[in-house]
Amino acid sequence: GAVVSQHPSRVICKSGTSVKIECRSLDFQATTMFWYRQFPKQSLMLMATSNEGSKATYEQGVEKDKFLINHASLTLSTLTVTSAHPEDSSFYICSARDSTPSGANVLTFGAGSRLTVL
Amino acid sequence: GQNIDQPTEMTATEGAIVQINCTYQTSGFNGLFWYQQHAGEAPTFLSYNVLDGLEEKGRFSSFLSRSKGYSYLLLKELQMKDSASYLCAADNYGQNFVFGPGTRLSVLP
Repeated sequence: GAVVSQHPSRVICKSGTSVKIECRSLDFQATTMFWYRQFPKQSLMLMATSNEGSKATYEQGVEKDKFLINHASLTLSTLTVTSAHPEDSSFYICSARDSTPSGANVLTFGAGSRLTVL
Repeated sequence: GQNIDQPTEMTATEGAIVQINCTYQTSGFNGLFWYQQHAGEAPTFLSYNVLDGLEEKGRFSSFLSRSKGYSYLLLKELQMKDSASYLCAADNYGQNFVFGPGTRLSVLP
């Protein structure tokens, strides 16, 4: 089945620094990837839709200058949290849809990245 | 607008059957996903219903009624490892996916 790889799984950084999270579709091409944020005991909150070769579409209330998304190829999307602050500490998850004939249009998630900003 | 609703928490006993309901209202709809998520982990795929009716997959079954905007996930022969959050998500033709708040299921011995 489709596999989405997300790295790093855990990252701790100092306030004011930037952190990059990578999301790769390993065995299929994904023109669209999705980035979510999840707080403890809450559901997934869609942050943005990453589109290969074009600008990402951000959900209302999400700062695009704060959360930079780049979808440079059909298998890689990156989320960069710029000038991170403690309130940015969260669980970030990416997902991609396998639209190939064998993929059954399933939305597959990466393993998630737990960001802790000190 | 888009809205998905499901119970926040449910409790059931090991070996029992539990049904988790999900109602949805979306501007576009192609199908309904169910995912299982254990604490601190990413969601894993359980089912995807496009057509009305019941689809069975082992101990888990999922039902969809498009006319009623309603779906449920049925878990049989509950095991302790089934304690997790269960998320339903409406597929808006792949443009985005609207997730419900998730149902935290606790399976008691």
